[in-house]
Amino acid sequence: NAGVTQTPKFQVLKTGQSMTLQCAQDMNHEYMSWYRQDPGMGLRLIHYSVGAGITDQGEVPNGYNVSRSTTEDFPLRLLSAAPSQTSVYFCASSFFREAGIAFFGQGTRLTVV
Amino acid sequence: AQTVTQSQPEMSVQEAETVTLSCTYDTSESDYYLFWYKQPPSRQMILVIRQEAYKQQNATENRFSVNFQKAAKSFSLKISDSQLGDAAMYFCAYRKLWGAQKLVFGQGTRLTINP
Repeated sequence: NAGVTQTPKFQVLKTGQSMTLQCAQDMNHEYMSWYRQDPGMGLRLIHYSVGAGITDQGEVPNGYNVSRSTTEDFPLRLLSAAPSQTSVYFCASSFFREAGIAFFGQGTRLTVV
Repeated sequence: AQTVTQSQPEMSVQEAETVTLSCTYDTSESDYYLFWYKQPPSRQMILVIRQEAYKQQNATENRFSVNFQKAAKSFSLKISDSQLGDAAMYFCAYRKLWGAQKLVFGQGTRLTINP
């Protein structure tokens, strides 16, 4: 049982490049989400999904796209990377019935130069 | 919109002593969840403790306990018998009882344990 797996763990991008951060969970959780963590600001919600085919925006969605074609996977796409997207990104998943017990991946540290 | 505030960016405590981390929140909901997450240098987010707002009894997990004051919208974390392994960032978080499980986080408190 691997839990929530994020890849890559580290990434450096040039401004304007695109990339996809991968997130997979093997716990059959309905709910998956992406957060970014910036110094002094805690974690902020980017996008979330309540099930395959259903996604919605969080607090800071601009510059990011998501899709959820399967229960297990929830990739986050950066369309045209900007230095403001330098951050640590976390994927999380949970059951609806296990109120609030979110399992987090180990994070991806992204630097945009 | 709900907000969570941690007013202590940094705290330090002597090993084996007790420390309390503060958290306040704002919501118009009557039922919700509150959490404390620990983030050690490994970056992993680890759930420390959870409190359901409809429960009056304060949650306890071994050396970790909370003081939940619903009317004051306050949710502090007390760590007893502090250990070196407790050194980490601690985040307070809020979630509505119903609906999408969106967590709202505070800014975090960095806890240092002095040997």
